[in-house]
Order: sequence, then structure tokens, then C-alpha cells
Amino acid sequence: AQTVTQSQPEMSVQEAETVTLSCTYDTSESDYYLFWYKQPPSRQMILVIRQEAYKQQNATENRFSVNFQKAAKSFSLKISDSQLGDAAMYFCASSYGGSQGNLIFGKGTKLSVKP
Amino acid sequence: GAGVSQSPSNKVTEKGKDVELRCDPISGHTALYWYRQSLGQGLEFLIYFQGNSAPDKSGLPSDRFSAERTGGSVSTLTIQRTQQEDSAVYLCASSLYIGMNTEAFFGQGTRLTVV
Repeated sequence: AQTVTQSQPEMSVQEAETVTLSCTYDTSESDYYLFWYKQPPSRQMILVIRQEAYKQQNATENRFSVNFQKAAKSFSLKISDSQLGDAAMYFCASSYGGSQGNLIFGKGTKLSVKP
Repeated sequence: GAGVSQSPSNKVTEKGKDVELRCDPISGHTALYWYRQSLGQGLEFLIYFQGNSAPDKSGLPSDRFSAERTGGSVSTLTIQRTQQEDSAVYLCASSLYIGMNTEAFFGQGTRLTVV
């Protein structure tokens, strides 16, 4: 079974600065996907970025990028030029071929952005 | 609709009563998922539908929980004889198809409070 661990319950960053959220996972699968989801106070989960395990190049979406270390089973999210709207819960998640698309989530990191 | 719609947004019920939570997925999405988010926890997978079929119900916490989907569209999650430990946010997601790489679109959830 896959597990996802987020070891930082809360993080804080100054506006316009850079912050990195950590995520580690455990799996015996050879192919899988990793995701970062954002959950603002509205409760709606929004996909931030995703990475296929077979791809060595780290995914990037505007100010969001990941550092995918497959051997270390690490998948951290870097947010550059942090904005007040980035304040939210961030969840790391994974899925694999046998999971039928359902996601396995970590417990989340609450990110605060200070003006 | 344009997004995944869940109703009600909030529900307060007395212990022992039955509740129905509704999810209206994005039109054309064949896959539908239910998750439970308890306070301070990540998301716990409950059940998924491919079309109207739910191949695996093992994620449901107890036999008080049931779910159905009709017409390949709307899904209802029913909790019978609610208990205080059922208090949580119930999130629904839909995706175009079943698969580990498919993007899941989430609703805003139903916050259930059992008093």
C-alpha cells in the first residue's frame, strides 16, 4: 500500500519570498503519479501540480515547482514569489495503476503568508 | 454544470438520524469519488464509481454508510444512524475517466456535524 507523509503541520512565509513544503511517500509500485493540491477556506481542493514518476524532469507551473527525488521518495513543492492568495492547506497525494484513480493523501500543511 | 456541486453545504443532525449527501459531477465525467476529511486529518478515500457501478466498497467505514449513483451522473452518500464520529467534511470529486493520471475536480464539500 502507498503512504504519503507531510511532516510540517504549519509553515509561514513572507509575501514575495520562497517557501518549500515537504512530502515523502512510500510505494512498491513502478509507475505512479504525485500531486499537490491546495485547499483554501472554501474547502474546494484545487490541483496545483502533478508529476509522473517516470519523468525525470521536475514539473513546473508558473510560480509552483516540485523537487522530485525518486530514489529518496521525496516530492517537495516550492512556491516562489509567495502571494497572500497562496495561504491555504496544501496536500500531497499519490495514485498508482491499481488505485483506480483514487488519491492517497498526506495530512496537509497549513501555509500562512505574512504581508 | 461548470464544476462539481455538492449539497447541502452544511448539515447539522442529531445523533441517530439518517442523512443524505448529494454530489453532482461535471457533465461527461464517468468517474466519481467520495472522500472524508476529519478535523486535522488528510482525506480518507471512501468509494468510487465508474459509471453507475461501485466495484469496491471496502473503503466505507461501516455498514451504516452506503452510496449510489444513477444515470451516470448524480451520486448520493447516505449515512444511517449517524454517530458523533461521523462529523467531518465529505468531499466529492469527479474525473473524465478512471486512471492514475486523470485530474480530479473537487466540490466544496458538505460539512456534517452530528450533535
